[in-house]
Amino acid sequence: DTEVTQTPKHLVMGMTNKKSLKCEQHMGHRAMYWYKQKAKKPPELMFVYSYEKLSINESVPSRFSPECPNSSLLNLHLHALQPEDSALYLCASSRAPGGRSNTGELFFGEGSRLTVL
Amino acid sequence: GESVGLHLPTLSVQEGDNSIINCAYSNSASDYFIWYKQESGKGPQFIIDIRSNMDKRQGQRVTVLLNKTVKHLSLQIAATQPGDSAVYFCAEKENNDMRFGAGTRLTVKP
Repeated sequence: DTEVTQTPKHLVMGMTNKKSLKCEQHMGHRAMYWYKQKAKKPPELMFVYSYEKLSINESVPSRFSPECPNSSLLNLHLHALQPEDSALYLCASSRAPGGRSNTGELFFGEGSRLTVL
Repeated sequence: GESVGLHLPTLSVQEGDNSIINCAYSNSASDYFIWYKQESGKGPQFIIDIRSNMDKRQGQRVTVLLNKTVKHLSLQIAATQPGDSAVYFCAEKENNDMRFGAGTRLTVKP
């Protein structure tokens, strides 16, 4: 069982809606990630938080707004999305933020499947 | 056999045979190289990683080989089982920046 929990598992929204994806981990990890995955493609990095501060933003459109309220939670706020934003959104966490990492492992949630109508 | 095209590259093997999945990476500064397995409807699952200062690492039934000269990574699965059927992604990690490579769909025939 994954120790990274994502909610909701499925979300359908219109282009004018505002919704949020949520991610939670209790492994004491201080790096948290959002990835976007389209069908038959590898996950694409969107954002990385390190010690609750945004450290990587891969030029993601502003209609995606990440938030890290504390070391266990990561949100992705969605507003005015387009149909092409429909995808699986994956959250992940890892042990060692910043500096030279001591492991390659990221722990992934099961993802939130988003459909934008 | 292996096919590359508009669809995900695929590798089909007989149960009990060994599988080799290959990957090319791009960032010479990566400090870790990782293999993930992704089953349908699930998130990626860590299989094994290797530090950039190593060239081989073995796990249970899996071996990862790293060739930094040609920026090549491979995953060997011994005695492949039906439960190994999935999409396999390589990834490279520099500090907290982890990027996935193209995946390969492994199908195990009984």
